[in-house]
Amino acid sequence: GQQLNQSPQSMFIQEGEDVSMNCTSSSIFNTWLWYKQDPGEGPVLLIALYKAGELTSNGRLTAQFGITRKDSFLNISASIPSDVGIYFCAGQYGNFNKFYFGSGTKLNVKP
Amino acid sequence: GAVVSQHPSRVICKSGTSVKIECRSLDFQATTMFWYRQFPKQSLMLMATSNEGSKATYEQGVEKDKFLINHASLTLSTLTVTSAHPEDSSFYICSVSQADRVATEAFFGQGTRLTVV
Repeated sequence: GQQLNQSPQSMFIQEGEDVSMNCTSSSIFNTWLWYKQDPGEGPVLLIALYKAGELTSNGRLTAQFGITRKDSFLNISASIPSDVGIYFCAGQYGNFNKFYFGSGTKLNVKP
Repeated sequence: GAVVSQHPSRVICKSGTSVKIECRSLDFQATTMFWYRQFPKQSLMLMATSNEGSKATYEQGVEKDKFLINHASLTLSTLTVTSAHPEDSSFYICSVSQADRVATEAFFGQGTRLTVV
């Protein structure tokens, strides 16, 4: 399957700080999705991106589809303790209706 | 988005037995569902694509005889782990993709924690 490089692997931040994470791929993707996963649960969709250059927000979350279609980033502004979890990017390429996942970014927020 | 339900959420089985995991799309008729596997502190690895009314397609390195997939209806796909061994212990998650001309999104079940003893 596809290899998605996601960074950073983990982050330790103070409540109120902004956070940024990104994913890169070797292939051109048609769609980028960002998910959050809590322990023992399935991933929950946060933001979906469909066009190169697209910038989309969902509350304090903002994500962008890179111009080259090989990367995407997710920003979280003014982090709060409930933002703690693992964030995954997922990408779809070609005519395949399936998604491949990045390695995840574990976010820790200190109150 | 689509509502996806998995059952059971947790299962413990003895080595050598088979375990069936169900994935239901509650509000959406899914011709295609996907099965993922996730080891602790790792990412989701796509195992196979479940196609309604036809054979599943497996990702490279996934044993189709080990992980049997049946997608008999538009709302139900099952994954059977046959002759389970401790190394099959993992978190198994299914997903449903909703696609139209413009967009594709994937929604996930809550996952099944399989422990083989």
